[in-house]
Amino acid sequence: DSGVTQTPKHLITATGQRVTLRCSPRSGDLSVYWYQQSLDQGLQFLIQYYNGEERAKGNILERFSAQQFPDLHSELNLSSLELGDSALYFCASTGEGSVREQFFGPGTRLTVL
Amino acid sequence: TQLLEQSPQFLSIQEGENLTVYCNSSSVFSSLQWYRQEPGEGPVLLVTVVTGGEVKKLKRLTFQFGDARKDSSLHITAAQTGDTGLYLCAGPYGQNFVFGPGTRLSVLP
Repeated sequence: DSGVTQTPKHLITATGQRVTLRCSPRSGDLSVYWYQQSLDQGLQFLIQYYNGEERAKGNILERFSAQQFPDLHSELNLSSLELGDSALYFCASTGEGSVREQFFGPGTRLTVL
Repeated sequence: TQLLEQSPQFLSIQEGENLTVYCNSSSVFSSLQWYRQEPGEGPVLLVTVVTGGEVKKLKRLTFQFGDARKDSSLHITAAQTGDTGLYLCAGPYGQNFVFGPGTRLSVLP
């Protein structure tokens, strides 16, 4: 158990809909990263938050947005969903030590029908 | 062009064989991490290497960080079916992390 939690585990929805994925980082971690992994593909970095503020953006679509709350949990909002958005979505958190390591949550599997 | 390259992309071996997978970059990394990911699950951190030339052992897995901190290798001795999975290398890069595309290992009984 990495200490990073994600909900829900599975999500099935229709095209055009909007969903929210939730992530709680490990206790004490201030950074949260979101990744998308399509079938048999690598991890695509979406966005990073640090202590409530956006720190880095990757290949995140304009239909997607995220935020990090004062209790450090983060939400990834996906809107106007398309079939191609079906994927595994992972969040990861990192500690404040001199060696930066990422610890991943179990992921949310999103299926858009 | 990927900042971290991994080879081979796919590897299928028989149980009991030895194997080595590689992670290479033209950039220097302050550290590199190795993860194993099983289908439908999140990547699990196996090890972090920090010092150039460092060797770390985790049971049958041996990790090495290149002297110049631009490459790393993972050697598995006497592979078992439980070693099957996607092996990813990653490292911090600026504010971000970069991941290699992975080596998909299949260990056959």
